[in-house]
Amino acid sequence: AQTVTQSQPEMSVQEAETVTLSCTYDTSENNYYLFWYKQPPSRQMILVIRQEAYKQQNATENRFSVNFQKAAKSFSLKISDSQLGDTAMYFCAFMKHEETSGSRLTFGEGTQLTVNP
Amino acid sequence: KAGVTQTPRYLIKTRGQQVTLSCSPISGHRSVSWYQQTPGQGLQFLFEYFSETQRNKGNFPGRFSGRQFSNSRSEMNVSTLELGDSALYLCASSLYPGREQFFGPGTRLTVL
Repeated sequence: AQTVTQSQPEMSVQEAETVTLSCTYDTSENNYYLFWYKQPPSRQMILVIRQEAYKQQNATENRFSVNFQKAAKSFSLKISDSQLGDTAMYFCAFMKHEETSGSRLTFGEGTQLTVNP
Repeated sequence: KAGVTQTPRYLIKTRGQQVTLSCSPISGHRSVSWYQQTPGQGLQFLFEYFSETQRNKGNFPGRFSGRQFSNSRSEMNVSTLELGDSALYLCASSLYPGREQFFGPGTRLTVL
């Protein structure tokens, strides 16, 4: 079974600054996806970024980028130029990369990020 | 393209009743997954449907069930509701199993 751990329950950052959220996972699988989702107060879960384990290049999406360390089983999210709208709960999630195993996402506990003006 | 829709958005039931929640996936998406979110247990996988078949099931009692229709819309049912079933129920759709998932706004179920 896979486990995902987010060791930072809460974080805060000043607007326009950079913040990094940590995530570690445990798996015996070799092919998998990792995701970061954000859940603002509206409770709508929004996909922020994804990383395929077989790709060495770290994924980036505008102000969001990841640092994927496969050997260390670490998957951190960096948010640059933080904006007030980035205030949300952020979840790290794991999914096996096999169509036969389906789409089961395993989530971490979440990190509540607050961006201060 | 419209996102994932879930109905109803809010629901209040009493213990012992049953409830049915509905989810319409993004157009063209054929896989639908359901998750339960509670403050104590976090986000937990309930089940996944693809081509009207349940492919995966999480560790939930048999009171939780679901189905998928030929148009990929899905419903989940909870029978004999318990107080602990109070939660946000999230539906997610993907093109196929094993692909990235996009979530709906959720149904907030309160059991009194």
